[in-house]
Amino acid sequence: DGGITQSPKYLFRKEGQNVTLSCEQNLNHDAMYWYRQDPGQGLRLIYYSQIVNDFQKGDIAEGYSVSREKKESFPLTVTSAQKNPTAFYLCASSMRGLAGASSYEQYFGPGTRLTVT
Amino acid sequence: GENVEQHPSTLSVQEGDSAVIKCTYSDSASNYFPWYKQELGKRPQLIIDIRSNVGEKKDQRIAVTLNKTAKHFSLHITETQPEDSAVYFCAARYNNQGGKLIFGQGTELSVKP
Repeated sequence: DGGITQSPKYLFRKEGQNVTLSCEQNLNHDAMYWYRQDPGQGLRLIYYSQIVNDFQKGDIAEGYSVSREKKESFPLTVTSAQKNPTAFYLCASSMRGLAGASSYEQYFGPGTRLTVT
Repeated sequence: GENVEQHPSTLSVQEGDSAVIKCTYSDSASNYFPWYKQELGKRPQLIIDIRSNVGEKKDQRIAVTLNKTAKHFSLHITETQPEDSAVYFCAARYNNQGGKLIFGQGTELSVKP
């Protein structure tokens, strides 16, 4: 299960606290993504980054923030502004996010299950 | 807007039977359509994908077909086995949004021995 890692596997927080989820990859991939998964639903895109020091909002970015200071790392912060943060969070990476890529395949990390009470 | 519809949401088959899952997408410029399998509590894993310049692709018991005119694509699993039981997601790549993937809602496949 190497390549892309997420930590921790389970995370518990009190309401009102910010929490940062880690995502690291050693695949030399340019693009990285954060998804949220709720029971009975597909994966919804929170943020994505096609290159270091650049990122774009996905479909459900409100209440989340990211940074991309290194190619290998794309941490996600769930802020107290996120109204329903309890979910399974998945990080992914791909060779390139831009058009013309030779491979579009996204590789997923093992996920972090966040519970906020 | 961007959308991928997936049906059915649940599917139960007997071992050895075939299973078919269907998806439709809204952006005619989409050019890449992957299928992921996710076992309970695990990460999604790519099982097969197809690009828009191909109509069908097979890999052993798994095949995907693409109809660009109708904007739909399907996953076919033949000779199903209990270990095929999982949630399957389709996705479509949207060129006009930096190449992001839009996922379907998932199909929970149960293969009964």
